[in-house]
Amino acid sequence: DQQVKQNSPSLSVQEGRISILNCDYTNSMFDYFLWYKKYPAEGPTFLISISSIKDKNEDGRFTVFLNKSAKHLSLHIVPSQPGDSAVYFCAANAGGSSNTGKLIFGQGTTLQVKP
Amino acid sequence: DTGVSQNPRHKITKRGQNVTFRCDPISEHNRLYWYRQTLGQGPEFLTYFQNEAQLEKSRLLSDRFSAERPKGSFSTLEIQRTEQGDSAMYLCASTSGADTQYFGPGTRLTVL
Repeated sequence: DQQVKQNSPSLSVQEGRISILNCDYTNSMFDYFLWYKKYPAEGPTFLISISSIKDKNEDGRFTVFLNKSAKHLSLHIVPSQPGDSAVYFCAANAGGSSNTGKLIFGQGTTLQVKP
Repeated sequence: DTGVSQNPRHKITKRGQNVTFRCDPISEHNRLYWYRQTLGQGPEFLTYFQNEAQLEKSRLLSDRFSAERPKGSFSTLEIQRTEQGDSAMYLCASTSGADTQYFGPGTRLTVL
């Protein structure tokens, strides 16, 4: 069962416009969410995170929104740049009393930013 | 801070051979994780260490897989009697808390 889902395998946007990447989850016990960016042949690079007690977190061009009632989060990139072209993964921390911190990842969304 | 390092970056082996990968976490990070990523999927959790203690193993980690973290520093992941289905990217991550994990570049395993 896929507890974290990224339903859009790919997204293409024009340079300078907004990129919106979406992620849905099923487990209400998840209490911390992260976005990672991955280039081919490299490991995931941490971008931004959000705790379940917040609904928004912003860091420069990147903003993550969390809607707990809908079990949905999104990553906004404004303005998008060609260097943002990569695979983006949404991940959730399983939380709980015995919090091991293991992450559960979505399948990823490939973002292409066209010059 | 040199980040998480993994060696080798690439490994090609024949089916039935044993392979071992190494992960050096960010210094002073007491938590270390192994994940596996196959094409078109996100990373999947394999196992977790806090210091030298292995505290959780995924059901994905069959008895052919073993991981160690002696002295709570670097970690090794060994796969015995490799199978073609073991071909994947093996990722290591470390953290000092239970939140943000920092990943290494991964080891790409190809089993022929």
